[in-house]
Amino acid sequence: DIQMTQSPSSLSASVGDRVTVTCRASQSVSRYLNWYQQKPGKAPKLLIYAASSLQSGVPSRFTGSGSGTDFTLIITSLQPEDSATYYCQQTYITQWSFGQGTKVEVK
Amino acid sequence: QLQLQESGPGLVKPSETLSLICNVSGGSINSRRDYWGWVRQSPGKGLEWIANIHFSGSTSLNPSLQSRVFISVDTSKNQFSLMVTSVTAADTAVYYCARGFAGTAAVGTAYYMDVWGKGTTVIVSS
Repeated sequence: DIQMTQSPSSLSASVGDRVTVTCRASQSVSRYLNWYQQKPGKAPKLLIYAASSLQSGVPSRFTGSGSGTDFTLIITSLQPEDSATYYCQQTYITQWSFGQGTKVEVK
Repeated sequence: QLQLQESGPGLVKPSETLSLICNVSGGSINSRRDYWGWVRQSPGKGLEWIANIHFSGSTSLNPSLQSRVFISVDTSKNQFSLMVTSVTAADTAVYYCARGFAGTAAVGTAYYMDVWGKGTTVIVSS
């Protein structure tokens, strides 16, 4: 199976800041990498699929990049409503897997 | 608009079997492009993918759970189900069902979970 490791585990940033979350796969997943946002008590919400494709309705301040084993989610101008936990997920092999999550706090 | 709704017992005794159903509405489970999956989240923890199923019956299971997990689909009822046997306190979690959609991207066909149920809480306790 493929292990997904995110860093950092948590971060705190101010409104308007540029925030970067990293996801690393234990082996290449090509570009079959998705990003989700989860707020407390809610189901996850798809943000980015196939490494860099923005899901319909998601603000353009969310961008994804990477391929192979290293991926990045960037929030270009952090907003108060972006306070949440972010997860990466690989769907390269039939046994899918998630990263452990990165909690983003907005100061 | 596609909607998913989980249902289940809420409380299960240790060593027993947990059974959950996900009802799909606003769309057909008989879609060649879609997989249907289960994800769980233990209290204070991250997301754990459990299993996927296609309406054809093709399944994929998390290797760490596959000896205790069964997933099935009932196309006549437009629903799919999850069973976890020999449960322990470690199976206490919020269980989500979701659609694994086969979308088109620059890389080709890419799967992602784009529609989720609200989740159902399962507590394993005597």
